[in-house]
Amino acid sequence: DAGVIQSPRHEVTEMGQEVTLRCKPISGHDYLFWYRQTMMRGLELLIYFNNNVPIDDSGMPEDRFSAKMPNASFSTLKIQPSEPRDSAVYFCASSPGLQHYGYTFGSGTRLTVV
Amino acid sequence: AQTVTQSQPEMSVQEAETVTLSCTYDTSESDYYLFWYKQPPSRQMILVIRQEAYKQQNATENRFSVNFQKAAKSFSLKISDSQLGDAAMYFCAYWGNEDNNDMRFGAGTRLTVKP
Repeated sequence: DAGVIQSPRHEVTEMGQEVTLRCKPISGHDYLFWYRQTMMRGLELLIYFNNNVPIDDSGMPEDRFSAKMPNASFSTLKIQPSEPRDSAVYFCASSPGLQHYGYTFGSGTRLTVV
Repeated sequence: AQTVTQSQPEMSVQEAETVTLSCTYDTSESDYYLFWYKQPPSRQMILVIRQEAYKQQNATENRFSVNFQKAAKSFSLKISDSQLGDAAMYFCAYWGNEDNNDMRFGAGTRLTVKP
């Protein structure tokens, strides 16, 4: 398996633009997590899915953020409209759902909003 | 809610020496898992080692080992024979069974390896 695949690796956009981050989890992993990493706040859980269903989105900062998982092999995180304070590294991670295995992370998307 | 504390923002070690990174956590659960992740400059989060709380034996993975003290809620990572490639951010993480189904991370420790 190629691991968790995220795209793009880097994204630079202007304030007010829509941004879409993409993630392909490992096949067979039932859980998918979206995290945001900043220097000030560290790793923050935004949302996670179980079998494509959003389970906990309490970490989503505000209505500008939305996430979908239309099937078991694809998820998106969308920010509309984007703001400079959204600049961060966004990680996707997947897991078989058993704590023993932990997470497998993607390589992250570095988002810069100017 | 469970919290994970890494009290050392930065640590440094001489190449070939041993270093220990500290981690404490707060929980009322008896069954849970603990992890150490490494994040090198490439920013990829890499699982280094895991520990199951109900196992008393400390986990080891080559040069990496943990000192798990369940009563003290302490989970330190020891890196032996440090190598330049060990330079990275190290995150301690907790994953329990109650209330949540996600992993809680500490703030991280930046490890520098001096040649």
